[in-house]
Amino acid sequence: QKEVEQNSGPLSVPEGAIASLNCTYSDRGSQSFFWYRQYSGKSPELIMSIYSNGDKEDGRFTAQLNKASQYVSLLIRDSQPSDSATYLCAVPREYGNKLVFGAGTILRVKS
Amino acid sequence: DTGVSQDPRHKITKRGQNVTFRCDPISEHNRLYWYRQTLGQGPEFLTYFQNEAQLEKSRLLSDRFSAERPKGSFSTLEIQRTEQGDSAMYLCASSPGQGDSNQPQHFGDGTRLSIL
Repeated sequence: QKEVEQNSGPLSVPEGAIASLNCTYSDRGSQSFFWYRQYSGKSPELIMSIYSNGDKEDGRFTAQLNKASQYVSLLIRDSQPSDSATYLCAVPREYGNKLVFGAGTILRVKS
Repeated sequence: DTGVSQDPRHKITKRGQNVTFRCDPISEHNRLYWYRQTLGQGPEFLTYFQNEAQLEKSRLLSDRFSAERPKGSFSTLEIQRTEQGDSAMYLCASSPGQGDSNQPQHFGDGTRLSIL
């Protein structure tokens, strides 16, 4: 079992719809969770961080965390073609906080 | 705050050559990380520094790889005797402070290495 797992996609949604991206992790002791967006050929860009069970909203983005189920998700409301990218889930591991990434989910928003 | 800066953006070299990449972190960020990313995969941790001290190296980092962070400011990553398998995007990230795991890392634009 990989430490951080994501469905590779691609996930295709129509413009204006809600995109739902999922991530599971193996270490029950994990405390922090990050979502990065990566456009093709570019570097990862931090878009959301979440530390507590429940939902955290920032504009069109909502991160959801369920530590009991070891599950973190990212919802993108009113999806736009500019949201088309790879979304990476990342979990810090051990002292030093090195990030362990999932392989990423490719999102395609069709206009 | 100018963000994390990496140089060069692209490097093309022949197999067997040595290459060196530079990373300038966000000013006053104590932690600096190197990752490697290949197509279709998430970034993989290589090594990190707390100030000038290199505190951890991944098993991915063979003896041909060396990293330094003199004076706790910029960092360099050198690959000696490059191999085809070294072709990847090399990413640098930095984060502030020490201790807890709640501080996100911010990435530079990366250096794309192509081995001919």
